[in-house]
Amino acid sequence: DQQVKQNSPSLSVQEGRISILNCDYTNSMFDYFLWYKKYPAEGPTFLISISSIKDKNEDGRFTVFLNKSAKHLSLHIVPSQPGDSAVYFCAALIQGAQKLVFGQGTRLTINP
Amino acid sequence: DVKVTQSSRYLVKRTGEKVFLECVQDMDHENMFWYRQDPGLGLRLIYFSYDVKMKEKGDIPEGYSVSREKKERFSLILESASTNQTSMYLCASSFRTGPIQETQYFGPGTRLLVL
Repeated sequence: DQQVKQNSPSLSVQEGRISILNCDYTNSMFDYFLWYKKYPAEGPTFLISISSIKDKNEDGRFTVFLNKSAKHLSLHIVPSQPGDSAVYFCAALIQGAQKLVFGQGTRLTINP
Repeated sequence: DVKVTQSSRYLVKRTGEKVFLECVQDMDHENMFWYRQDPGLGLRLIYFSYDVKMKEKGDIPEGYSVSREKKERFSLILESASTNQTSMYLCASSFRTGPIQETQYFGPGTRLLVL
């Protein structure tokens, strides 16, 4: 039972354009969401997060949007750069529960 | 700067062997986690520990055990390795409380091949 789903295994975007990565979840108890970025042969690194009391959080080129009614979040990267090419994982949790639930990941490729 | 280290980057083992994967963190984190990453399945939690000598099963604990004798060290044990345990294994740690309590810091991973 996949509680966090990233339905696009891969995404290809032109350098300088916007990258939009999507994530859906089924558990309405989730109240905190995170995005991690993973390069080959490295562990995932934290990118950005959002609490369920917000609908948007911005950090430089990265913005995460949360639509609680649709149980959907998205990560926007503007402008996309070649160094953004990586696998992006969406994760969710119930605060206090200590465990993250991860999606399957989306491989983003930024083309020069 | 948080550092999570894993004892090996690559391992090749035979079916039936006992395998130990070691993870050490230097940030005094209470929580430690073991995941495996497989294509199309994302990161799946095997076991986690929120304190020394404490452990809890994750989503896929079968065929694995863990040990946490010291706060900084969390070991994953494959009692009798099987080919379906060929995977990338990732260790992570986090604080139990704090403003970003759920941000987990990951090690570089161990790619295990079981023949």
